[in-house]
Amino acid sequence: GAVVSQHPSWVICKSGTSVKIECRSLDFQATTMFWYRQFPKQSLMLMATSNEGSKATYEQGVEKDKFLINHASLTLSTLTVTSAHPEDSSFYICSARARDPRVQPQHFGDGTRLSIL
Amino acid sequence: ELKVEQNPLFLSMQEGKNYTIYCNYSTTSDRLYWYRQDPGKSLESLFVLLSNGAVKQEGRLMASLDTKARLSTLHITAAVHDLSATYFCAVVSNFGNEKLTFGTGTRLTIIP
Repeated sequence: GAVVSQHPSWVICKSGTSVKIECRSLDFQATTMFWYRQFPKQSLMLMATSNEGSKATYEQGVEKDKFLINHASLTLSTLTVTSAHPEDSSFYICSARARDPRVQPQHFGDGTRLSIL
Repeated sequence: ELKVEQNPLFLSMQEGKNYTIYCNYSTTSDRLYWYRQDPGKSLESLFVLLSNGAVKQEGRLMASLDTKARLSTLHITAAVHDLSATYFCAVVSNFGNEKLTFGTGTRLTIIP
């Protein structure tokens, strides 16, 4: 079964709205979570690394004030897209660092499709 | 900066044929992963390659890793329509937190 739950699966909202996406690790404690963005027909691009209890580390070119990340507990990280605009429409995927990287390095959520009108 | 490139980017092939997808990466790493993504879906883990010379097989797919050449291959044998998807390789670029850098992806279409 899924070990990382991402919610919501799909959201459509008007330009200027702030949207929050949740990523939960279901049966383990995830000290590190990752947020990716994927535009149509492109690869996954890492946006930020989220560490429990500390500030997220953002990749170059990602606006930290626009994409707010909170990792307040060992099982929950949230990504808030503030004042979203049509260019923010994308597929957002979270993942959690796995306990045993020899099995796989990260457990991926099912993704959130964000459409800004 | 780690770069991960895949070839080809798009591949259309007939059922029953064989083909190989290549994944090249730019800096030293001895851990590489292959994922499958169906349209509108998240990633499905396919293979975990942990050392030089590693070879893994599952059904009609076989993956290998050559760390000296910084090259991994994903070989498709006797392709079937169900294998149509986008395939990504990914390399660990930070061993402290298991940060991954993904390849450009190969969009595979199998034609009946």
